[in-house]
Amino acid sequence: GDSVTQMEGPVTLSEEAFLTINCTYTATGYPSLFWYVQYPGEGLQLLLKATKADDKGSNKGFEATYRKETTSFHLEKGSVQVSDSAVYFCALSGTTDSWGKLQFGAGTQVVVTP
Amino acid sequence: EAQVTQNPRYLITVTGKKLTVTCSQNMNHEYMSWYRQDPGLGLRQIYYSMNVEVTDKGDVPEGYKVSRKEKRNFPLILESPSPNQTSLYFCASSPRGPTDTEAFFGQGTRLTVV
Repeated sequence: GDSVTQMEGPVTLSEEAFLTINCTYTATGYPSLFWYVQYPGEGLQLLLKATKADDKGSNKGFEATYRKETTSFHLEKGSVQVSDSAVYFCALSGTTDSWGKLQFGAGTQVVVTP
Repeated sequence: EAQVTQNPRYLITVTGKKLTVTCSQNMNHEYMSWYRQDPGLGLRQIYYSMNVEVTDKGDVPEGYKVSRKEKRNFPLILESPSPNQTSLYFCASSPRGPTDTEAFFGQGTRLTVV
């Protein structure tokens, strides 16, 4: 079945550092790809999405590009803030196997220190 | 305010004592779903519902029941909880399915079964 693999955390950074979180996927067909973020004590919220190859999703300074050739959707931000400390989940949906659901990776905790 | 509301937020119970976790959304969404979050596994779908009176199993439905008698509510029922159901549970809703439209998540219910 479909699956999503994320780099393990925690990832610890200083404020204003560059952040990359790797995400690769295995899917039959052509999924839509998502990044959801979970701030401490809260539910998940959509950060960005891309629905087809070479699409770039962006929001709040974060970006990710749908790379079909490498089956990847890496998340990047050029200059992180303490307020970006959270758990980030890569997910896919829209294939036969993932119809009606979001297929999540294990999540990557990011800790940004002042 | 548009939101998904889960209750209770925290619950400690004993093995075999039936419980219900409620989920309500005020956005008139067609789609609702339950996930459980476990360390290292990300979120896994338990059940979902594409509309009133329509429910379907997700990846880990064993030991759970749901019902969708009205659009706004989607309760999760554990008829005979066991310790392996100790987890963090999230309810989610979206206008249609999560592929095409953003999923909105509740704040979570942390369940401990002793």
